[in-house]
Amino acid sequence: DAGVTQSPTHLIKTRGQHVTLRCSPISGHKSVSWYQQVLGQGPQFIFQYYEKEERGRGNFPDRFSARQFPNYSSELNVNALLLGDSALYLCASSPTLMGQENYNEQFFGPGTRLTVL
Amino acid sequence: KQEVTQIPAALSVPEGENLVLNCSFTDSAIYNLQWFRQDPGKGLTSLLLIQSSQREQTSGRLNASLDKSSGRSTLYIAASQPGDSATYLCAVRRGSTLGRLYFGRGTQLTVWP
Repeated sequence: DAGVTQSPTHLIKTRGQHVTLRCSPISGHKSVSWYQQVLGQGPQFIFQYYEKEERGRGNFPDRFSARQFPNYSSELNVNALLLGDSALYLCASSPTLMGQENYNEQFFGPGTRLTVL
Repeated sequence: KQEVTQIPAALSVPEGENLVLNCSFTDSAIYNLQWFRQDPGKGLTSLLLIQSSQREQTSGRLNASLDKSSGRSTLYIAASQPGDSATYLCAVRRGSTLGRLYFGRGTQLTVWP
């Protein structure tokens, strides 16, 4: 079975540009979350989507946005890139069975390495 | 706000040693706790998931314990091998959100032959 997939693997952009990162969850998983991991730190939560609705947002500026499609894949968009946006962007999926939320395990993709010059 | 701390930040040991990695969290109202492994520049691999009602979980040479009331978890690695070299991350999930994880900074483990 395929795990969580992300594209592209690596990306180089310049300041002020826009970027779109993509994520496909494990088949059957309806919840997708996005995290940013700066070198040497633990991942920081950006967004969570469940059934195409935003269910959580971390402490990130409005330059960050996301959406989830009917097939449960997701996109993360970042506008007006800053040098500080350089990081590994991780996508995670979970089954999020309503009524059994206590048992959900999160599965992460390989990440997209974004470098802003 | 949930704060997660991992000690030590780095650990270097010879092959064969038994290891203990520590994780502490400030808010005991958690739903579950996950331990992950991360190889350099790669994504996260889930190692163990402990529900809030459980005390421990085991998978092969790995054993994780949870003491929710004191806000602590321990990952025990038996008979370490060079292939265990990686960063180990602890993450907790709070009950008030659907899936948000709060991560520590990780413990960077090096096992030398």
